Amino acid sequence: KQEVTQIPAALSVPEGENLVLNCSFTDSAIYNLQWFRQDPGKGLTSLLLIQSSQREQTSGRLNASLDKSSGRSTLYIAASQPGDSATYLCALAAGNKLTFGGGTRVLVKP
Amino acid sequence: DTGVSQNPRHKITKRGQNVTFRCDPISEHNRLYWYRQTLGQGPEFLTYFQNEAQLEKSRLLSDRFSAERPKGSFSTLEIQRTEQGDSAMYLCASSLSSGGETQYFGPGTRLLVL
Repeated sequence: KQEVTQIPAALSVPEGENLVLNCSFTDSAIYNLQWFRQDPGKGLTSLLLIQSSQREQTSGRLNASLDKSSGRSTLYIAASQPGDSATYLCALAAGNKLTFGGGTRVLVKP
Repeated sequence: DTGVSQNPRHKITKRGQNVTFRCDPISEHNRLYWYRQTLGQGPEFLTYFQNEAQLEKSRLLSDRFSAERPKGSFSTLEIQRTEQGDSAMYLCASSLSSGGETQYFGPGTRLLVL
């Protein structure tokens, strides 16, 4: 059974600092890995999707890496802004469903 | 297309009542998923449809839960005889196909069972 862990559960940084969010998983037999953002009381917004054959994906200030051999993915957010405050979730696709981590709650202080 | 929509956005009910939620996926998407999310946790998979066929159900989906997608477009999730433990956010997602495709999520329906 796939288990996905995100540590830390919460993170607070001053504006302008780079954010590094970690995701670890136990089963490397995956189709892809997605990073999502969730604002309080809202649904999920897809940020990046990394296919199993890829090592990283980039979109603007966001960069996500995938290392299946070590069971890890990292989401980097450069030059953080207060608007980046949210919960970030990683999810692994294997078969017909996503398995999510518990999320990292991020607060970017002005 | 404006994305995945869900109705209602919020539902408060008394224990023992039945509730029904609706999800309208992105129009060209043939796959539809239901997830449940409790406070402070990541979403957990409940079930998914390929067109109108329900192809997988989680053990979380007890006998009190039933989902349908009668014409391969919108879907409904019904919970019978609600319990306080059913209080959660119910999320719907859709995608073009399985495996390498991004799942797009709706805003969710927040259920509170009193």
